[in-house]
Amino acid sequence: DPKIIQKPKYLVAVTGSEKILICEQYLGHNAMYWYRQSAKKPLEFMFSYSYQKLMDNQTASSRFQPQSSKKNHLDLQITALKPDDSATYFCASSQDHSDYTFGSGTRLLVI
Amino acid sequence: GDKVKQSPSALSLQEGTNSALRCNFSIAATTVQWFLQNPRGSLINLFYLVPGTKENGRLKSAFDSKESYSTLHIRDAQLEDSGTYFCAAEARNYAQGLTFGLGTRVSVFP
Repeated sequence: DPKIIQKPKYLVAVTGSEKILICEQYLGHNAMYWYRQSAKKPLEFMFSYSYQKLMDNQTASSRFQPQSSKKNHLDLQITALKPDDSATYFCASSQDHSDYTFGSGTRLLVI
Repeated sequence: GDKVKQSPSALSLQEGTNSALRCNFSIAATTVQWFLQNPRGSLINLFYLVPGTKENGRLKSAFDSKESYSTLHIRDAQLEDSGTYFCAAEARNYAQGLTFGLGTRVSVFP
């Protein structure tokens, strides 16, 4: 059984639209994260949530907003989508910021 | 990839041989993690390291925080070891997340 569920697995969106990427973890971890992987770039940190609170020093554009409705959920809302947002978005979790477990990712294509 | 430099960028290994991957850090890393991204795209955690060494089966990893580098040794390479290996460093400020290198693409052939 997958320990971190990301939905959907693939997503095609039109420029200017809004989408929500879903992430649920069943590991009982107290920290969750979003990372982005684009072609020829290193995996890029976006957000860190600890005990359902956003930690400072977020690096992503304001068009990206994390949403945590439950302890083990951390969704990612993306507004005004651009073609440059095309990437694979990975959710991850850890206990006290130790070893990470990653989800299988959502591949987003913006056309 | 400037803050975490991985070498080599690609590696071709015959089954049964050994190899080493390296990461050099230009940030003050307190912990290091190594991941394997398999051909399906999944990221698998291999090691979480504070300064020191760890071993797991045919893999062994070391992290030297004073010299700012980490290594991953693959012994007796198998076909299923193929994929891209990433190292990632975490600084003391957890809010900054993990800083990843660009990866080492490993291909194991019979």
